Amino acid sequence: AQSVAQPEDQVNVAEGNPLTVKCTYSVSGNPYLFWYVQYPNRGLQFLLKYITGDNLVKGSYGFEAEFNKSQTSFHLKKPSALVSDSALYFCAVRDSGAGSYQLTFGKGTKLSVIP
Amino acid sequence: DADVTQTPRNRITKTGKRIMLECSQTKGHDRMYWYRQDPGLGLQLIYYSFDVKDINKGEISDGYSVSRQAQAKFSLSLESAIPNQTALYFCATSDSSGSYNEQFFGPGTRLTVL
Repeated sequence: AQSVAQPEDQVNVAEGNPLTVKCTYSVSGNPYLFWYVQYPNRGLQFLLKYITGDNLVKGSYGFEAEFNKSQTSFHLKKPSALVSDSALYFCAVRDSGAGSYQLTFGKGTKLSVIP
Repeated sequence: DADVTQTPRNRITKTGKRIMLECSQTKGHDRMYWYRQDPGLGLQLIYYSFDVKDINKGEISDGYSVSRQAQAKFSLSLESAIPNQTALYFCATSDSSGSYNEQFFGPGTRLTVL
């Protein structure tokens, strides 16, 4: 079985400061990892993914995420937070094995960027 | 994602009523999914379809049914709605020819069952 944990329900950060949203995962094989963002009254929007290769993945809106296999983590980061980054963030994982299709989502982390 | 549309966007209904939520996509993807989102629980998979003739139950299919009318259309039905089905429902699509199953989401339908 695969699972995702987002240990923080809410993260508050001052505008201009760096932000980190944490995610840890569990899969039996190699992971495919994803971050999505949900703005109020909107669907989930894809931010970035890790499939293989470089452990630092860059995505939309200046976000990046670092894959750490030994810690089974995939934390989302941004060097300088904007008020417009305030949203709900979801981490998701899928096993890379053949025939695997299902994404498992974390419970989400609400990010609030304070002006 | 504007290529995945859901109707209605909001619906209020009463216990025992039959409700259908519709999803259409113009992405040309073969795979489609229905999720529900409850506060603090993330997204839970209700049903998924790999093509028109391949429909499968997800984690929480009880009380729901689906129909894949065409590759581009996937509808979710609540045969007899109950209050604990009050939630935000999302449709998503993905392309099996892409290796990574990245999913694209519609804007969601907010359903309230009184």
